[in-house]
Amino acid sequence: GNSVTQMEGPVTLSEEAFLTINCTYTATGYPSLFWYVQYPGEGLQLLLKATKADDKGSNKGFEATYRKETTSFHLEKGSVQVSDSAVYFCAPQEGNTGKLIFGQGTTLQVKP
Amino acid sequence: NAGVTQTPKFQVLKTGQSMTLQCAQDMNHEYMSWYRQDPGMGLRLIHYSVGAGITDQGEVPNGYNVSRSTTEDFPLRLLSAAPSQTSVYFCASSRLTGDYGYTFGSGTRLTVV
Repeated sequence: GNSVTQMEGPVTLSEEAFLTINCTYTATGYPSLFWYVQYPGEGLQLLLKATKADDKGSNKGFEATYRKETTSFHLEKGSVQVSDSAVYFCAPQEGNTGKLIFGQGTTLQVKP
Repeated sequence: NAGVTQTPKFQVLKTGQSMTLQCAQDMNHEYMSWYRQDPGMGLRLIHYSVGAGITDQGEVPNGYNVSRSTTEDFPLRLLSAAPSQTSVYFCASSRLTGDYGYTFGSGTRLTVV
């Protein structure tokens, strides 16, 4: 079945550091890919998405590129802020059902 | 535009009690789903629905029932609560076609004692 693997956390960075959160997936066909963010005590919010190979999704300084050849969708940000502290979920979408497949999430802690 | 509304936000139940978690959306989304979130487990799909009158099981359906009588509402019922159902529950909705992603509610934190 379809699955997603994210790097284990927590990831702890200093403010203004460069962020990479790795995500690889297995899926039939070419799913749309999403990153969601969950701030403490809140529900998940859509951060960015990419719908086909080589697409780059971006939002709030975060970016991720759809890499079909490596089935990856790594999340990056050039300079993190304390307010970016949250849990990040990578989620491919099953093409036949529309369901999103969530990994365990990666906790990011940014220290001032 | 309220999005996805979940009630209650917090609930404490005794083992064996029943309750219904409410979920409503005002975006005319066809697809609605329930997830539970536990530490170290990510989000696990409980039940989902692709339209009024249609429901299906996810990966952890045992102990939960759902129904979808209208497009807007998708309640989750716990028939006989167990401590293993202590969790945070999220409802999500989306369109069936296109790549719009899900809109999530703010969650219900349930404790079963």
